[in-house]
Amino acid sequence: QSALTQPASVSGSPGQSITISCTGTSSDVGGYNYVSWYQQHPGKAPKLMIYDVSNRPSGVSNRFSGSKSGNTASLTISGLQAEDEADYYCSSYTSSSTLAVVFGGGTKLTVL
Amino acid sequence: QVQLVQSGAEVKKPGSSVKVSCKASGGTFSSYAISWVRQAPGQGLEWMGRIIPILGIANYAQKFQGRVTITADKSTSTAYMELSSLRSEDTAVYYCARGRYYYDSSGPPTDYYMDVWGKGTTVTVSS
Repeated sequence: QSALTQPASVSGSPGQSITISCTGTSSDVGGYNYVSWYQQHPGKAPKLMIYDVSNRPSGVSNRFSGSKSGNTASLTISGLQAEDEADYYCSSYTSSSTLAVVFGGGTKLTVL
Repeated sequence: QVQLVQSGAEVKKPGSSVKVSCKASGGTFSSYAISWVRQAPGQGLEWMGRIIPILGIANYAQKFQGRVTITADKSTSTAYMELSSLRSEDTAVYYCARGRYYYDSSGPPTDYYMDVWGKGTTVTVSS
């Protein structure tokens, strides 16, 4: 079982907006602003899309945005495009004694 | 722009060990951490551990404690991940990733995010 909880799948039509949630605890998502989001296309390495809850790396489209409320972080993709179809993973620093970084189980985004 | 170049695919027998390398091309390890993340077939991402080469500090997920060793050679900007006592469940793609972190001597490092990833190394464990 993954430490952070994400929906297994979400879908949307081109041009629409979707939001993926990522729920943790006060030891990770809720306790620190070190939530990041990664996009992974099949057979490819993950790509950083959002860091420190809401910051976009250079080169990432401004259609991607992140936020956090309490123990739940969210990734929103606006103006959906076909190339956005991928798996998305959230991650957070954790103060757990058993590991330092936790991932969510991943969410498969389907663009209809 | 730094790239992380990983070693090639491996096929191992159960009970053996594997050592995967990750070399920074076009840059160095200075000021960064190197994490190792694995992904079993059809599964999600799993953090295994991390080393901060400039400090010589390595930390591991409890799940892998005693079986994994992460090292780094600053002179060649290369990190290594060795996993021992391999079993079939260790069949996965293993990624190295450059990480941003914060550290002061009052506690363990705080990992922020991973901004550059290697392409992955497939490790297959089969008899």
